[in-house]
Amino acid sequence: GENVEQHPSTLSVQEGDSAVIKCTYSDSASNYFPWYKQELGKGPQLIIDIRSNVGEKKDQRIAVTLNKTAKHFSLHITETQPEDSAVYFCAAIGGFQKLVFGTGTRLLVSP
Amino acid sequence: DTGVSQDPRHKITKRGQNVTFRCDPISEHNRLYWYRQTLGQGPEFLTYFQNEAQLEKSRLLSDRFSAERPKGSFSTLEIQRTEQGDSAMYLCASSFEGNYGYTFGSGTRLTVV
Repeated sequence: GENVEQHPSTLSVQEGDSAVIKCTYSDSASNYFPWYKQELGKGPQLIIDIRSNVGEKKDQRIAVTLNKTAKHFSLHITETQPEDSAVYFCAAIGGFQKLVFGTGTRLLVSP
Repeated sequence: DTGVSQDPRHKITKRGQNVTFRCDPISEHNRLYWYRQTLGQGPEFLTYFQNEAQLEKSRLLSDRFSAERPKGSFSTLEIQRTEQGDSAMYLCASSFEGNYGYTFGSGTRLTVV
């Protein structure tokens, strides 16, 4: 089955800096890669996603890149703000529509 | 429609008791998923439904766990004879068939004492 690895597990940045979170996946059949933000006591919230026929997607301060050959994808957050502090999860879908999640990255943005 | 609703938000139970959680998905979504999340980990797949049919169950779902979606709308997840290892956040999500975007609820946090 699919296996998703995520790095780093924690990331501390100063407000205004950029943050990058990286994930790798194992199933070459995976074709959809969402990113979720989870705040304390809440369920994961979809913030951006990318399909396998696209190499990059951007939405305001967040962007995701996908390298199908290397089977890795990354989340980029620019101009970070304290409210970006949360746990971020990458995920992938393979053959069945069943999301497999990474282990999460705790992002802390200090004012 | 305000999204995916889960009830209760928190549940504390004694070991050996049975518990049942409810999930109300987004009404237009025909797929419903249950995930379990332990502290510091990503959500792990448990099972999913398309309409009322349960199409896949993870090996994490022991025979003490059962899920239903009787009319293709809300779903229940029951855990019988709870164990301390069952303590976790149970997340429900829904989506359209063919649309990969999942919408998650806020989860039910189970504590087994």
